[in-house]
Amino acid sequence: EAQVTQNPRYLITVTGKKLTVTCSQNMNHEYMSWYRQDPGLGLRQIYYSMNVEVTDKGDVPEGYKVSRKEKRNFPLILESPSPNQTSLYFCASSLRTGGLGYTFGSGTRLTVV
Amino acid sequence: AQTVTQSQPEMSVQEAETVTLSCTYDTSENNYYLFWYKQPPSRQMILVIRQEAYKQQNATENRFSVNFQKAAKSFSLKISDSQLGDTAMYFCAFSRKIQGAQKLVFGQGTRLTINP
Repeated sequence: EAQVTQNPRYLITVTGKKLTVTCSQNMNHEYMSWYRQDPGLGLRQIYYSMNVEVTDKGDVPEGYKVSRKEKRNFPLILESPSPNQTSLYFCASSLRTGGLGYTFGSGTRLTVV
Repeated sequence: AQTVTQSQPEMSVQEAETVTLSCTYDTSENNYYLFWYKQPPSRQMILVIRQEAYKQQNATENRFSVNFQKAAKSFSLKISDSQLGDTAMYFCAFSRKIQGAQKLVFGQGTRLTINP
């Protein structure tokens, strides 16, 4: 089954404790992206990657890191999480042409206390 | 900057009624794509329908159709014969190419409730 697998689904952590949210896709998509969803703001892009070893900032990159060492994986790293990073996070992937839309992971609900 | 605006934070209709969700966007691009995504309580993001800007014909997927007005930069979603399973958050999204890859920009979302 073609899918984007994102883990964990729920995560509660404390301020300052480094964490990683994993994302993997099995569709050989070139393009991958991370979004955060907050009430009243919709989904905002954090980082994106057009291919292996090619990443760039989205609209809200502060406090986040990503890496793309393999085509299928695109982890999101929070080096020192803060409460304002409490949010719902989505990983998504698409073909380079993009016109068919994104396939999304099932989301990670992160709470930073 | 590209922006997408959904002016209806919440809507509620009776089962079997028709409902229209509005979406406007702002861009100077000529070639782009528009999408409607559905997010049910399971929070999975599901692609409902897509429209290519260079096509004048409005896209249709079963009970879902769009009214695409390119000059007015409007992209509304019509749901006919609404069903309880249509209850969800709906996001309008605009996409264009940046450096050969797609960038999606989302609206704020409309929470739609279908009442029995």
